[in-house]
Parts: sequence; structure tokens; C-alpha cells
Amino acid sequence: GENVEQHPSTLSVQEGDSAVIKCTYSDSASNYFPWYKQELGKGPQLIIDIRSNVGEKKDQRIAVTLNKTAKHFSLHITETQPEDSAVYFCAATDPISNFGNEKLTFGTGTRLTIIP
Amino acid sequence: NAGVTQTPKFRILKIGQSMTLQCTQDMNHNYMYWYRQDPGMGLKLIYYSVGAGITDKGEVPNGYNVSRSTTEDFPLRLELAAPSQTSVYFCASRSQADTQYFGPGTRLTVL
Repeated sequence: GENVEQHPSTLSVQEGDSAVIKCTYSDSASNYFPWYKQELGKGPQLIIDIRSNVGEKKDQRIAVTLNKTAKHFSLHITETQPEDSAVYFCAATDPISNFGNEKLTFGTGTRLTIIP
Repeated sequence: NAGVTQTPKFRILKIGQSMTLQCTQDMNHNYMYWYRQDPGMGLKLIYYSVGAGITDKGEVPNGYNVSRSTTEDFPLRLELAAPSQTSVYFCASRSQADTQYFGPGTRLTVL
């Protein structure tokens, strides 16, 4: 099945600076790559996603880039704010599926701390 | 819409006890999932369902069972609880656009 590695495991950034989290995946057939934000005591929430036919996607201060050749994708957060402090997870679809894109493999998470 | 709801929020079990974690979604999604999250780890898929009456194993199914009799409900059953099942359990449902929506989680401790 798919294997997703995520780095770094912890990241501290001064408020207003940018944060970058990187993930690699193993199966070149994966075609959907979401990023989730998990606040303390809550379930993960989708913040942005990208499909394999696109190289970059942006939504206000958040962007995701995908390099299919190198099999890695990254989350970029600009002008960070205290409310960006959370755990972020990347994921990739498991191409070995019965019904198509029904399973995600998650990275181990990055704890992002924004320093005021 | 309430989205995905889970009960209970917290539970302490003794070794060997059984329990059912409840999950309900009101978005009419066909796909539903159960994950467990251990400290410092990502989410591991336990079981999933692609519609009423259809379930399949995920990465870590041992010690668990599921059923899917309706579109809305996807309960997870723990038989003979073991300390290794201490974890936070998340239920999720998936839209047609591939987005998974997660519930608030159930924190389970087995002593």
C-alpha cells in the first residue's frame, strides 16, 4: 500500500513568518493529496487539497505544491497567525483500492507553534 | 447539518470488557471510516464502508468489528478490550469530492 512520510514533526515559527511542511509518498499512482488541520481536542479538518493533474493550488494564506516526478508535496502557510498553531497532517490516496480513492494514508503529523 | 457525530466522548474500560462506539452522519455520504490515532502517530484506518451493507478492513482491523445497516450509522464494536486499544477513535464520512469529514473523536482508555 501507500506510504507517506511527513517532516518536520515539530515546527516553531515567529508570527508573521512563513511555515513549510513537506510530505513524500511512495506510489506514483496516488492522485489526491489533502492537508488536514487538527486543533487540540478536535477532529481533523480539511484545509486544502490538490489533485495529480495540478502542480499548485492556493487559498488565501495557504498553498500546496505537488511534484509528481519526485513524489512529494508541500504545505505553505504565509503571514502566520497564532490561530495557525495546530497539528497538520498530509495524506495521499491509496491506489490499491476496490472502489477508487476510498482510502487515505496519513502522514504522522507536524505540530506547528506560532510564537507571538 | 450536524455533520459527523460520535458518542461517547470519553470512556474507560477494563480489560476484557466490550463496548460500541457510535457514529452518525447527516450528509448522506456513502463512504464512512473508522480511524484510531495514537500519540505522535498519524491516523490508522481500522474499517471502512462504501455503503449500507458493505464493509472492508483497513490497516489495523484486529480486535474490532463494524456493521453498516443504514447510510447514516457506522458503529464500531470492541470485543475483549485490551490496553493496546487505548487510543482516540475518529469516525469520518466522505463526500463525492473525496473530502473526508471527521467527527470530534472518542477518547478510550483500557485499564
